[in-house]
Amino acid sequence: DIQLTQSPSTLSASVGDTVTITCRASQSIGPWVAWYQQKPGKAPELLMYKASTLESGVASRFSGSGSGVQFTLTISSLQPDDFATYYCQLYNSRFPYTFGQGTRLEIK
Amino acid sequence: QITLKESGPTLVKPTQTLTLTCYYSGFSLRNDGEAVALIRQPPGKALEWLALIYWDGDKRYSSSLKSRLTVTSDVSNNRVVLTMTNMNPADTATYFCAHAGTSDYHIDSWGQGTLVTVSS
Repeated sequence: DIQLTQSPSTLSASVGDTVTITCRASQSIGPWVAWYQQKPGKAPELLMYKASTLESGVASRFSGSGSGVQFTLTISSLQPDDFATYYCQLYNSRFPYTFGQGTRLEIK
Repeated sequence: QITLKESGPTLVKPTQTLTLTCYYSGFSLRNDGEAVALIRQPPGKALEWLALIYWDGDKRYSSSLKSRLTVTSDVSNNRVVLTMTNMNPADTATYFCAHAGTSDYHIDSWGQGTLVTVSS
């Protein structure tokens, strides 16, 4: 099965910072990556799909890029509400859907 | 507006079978381009994808759990049912169902999740 490895596992940052989370696939998966934000006790929420398409209603300070084996989620001008855990996910009918292990974004 | 809600037991004994029902509204699994995914999350751990059922009845399962999982669709009642056999304490988790669609089957809406504890 394809593995998704996120880095870092934990990220400390301050309000106003710009941060980048990386998701690396064990083999090429085209653009088929989604990103989710999850807060404690809540279901995940979709941020991005097809690597770089922003979900409707999601703030434009979130951006995604990548294709093949490496993908990134960038959050610019961090807001207090952004401190959460972020997951990448492979989705495509040719592959089993797989999640990365998550990146916890914490306040420095 | 798409909504999903999971329903099932909160406590399951080891070796028992879990039956989890996902009730949904705002879409129909009769329609081309729709699917429902099942995902779980053990306490304090990462999300784990379990299964996906498409509008045409096609199904996908996690490789590691495939032998224990069955997902079925009841379109007349807008529900999807997941069964997981031979439950053990490592299966303690919050179980989510989610909608996948919008042309490329990315997951875009989630249920609130339900915590299932496996304990004697």
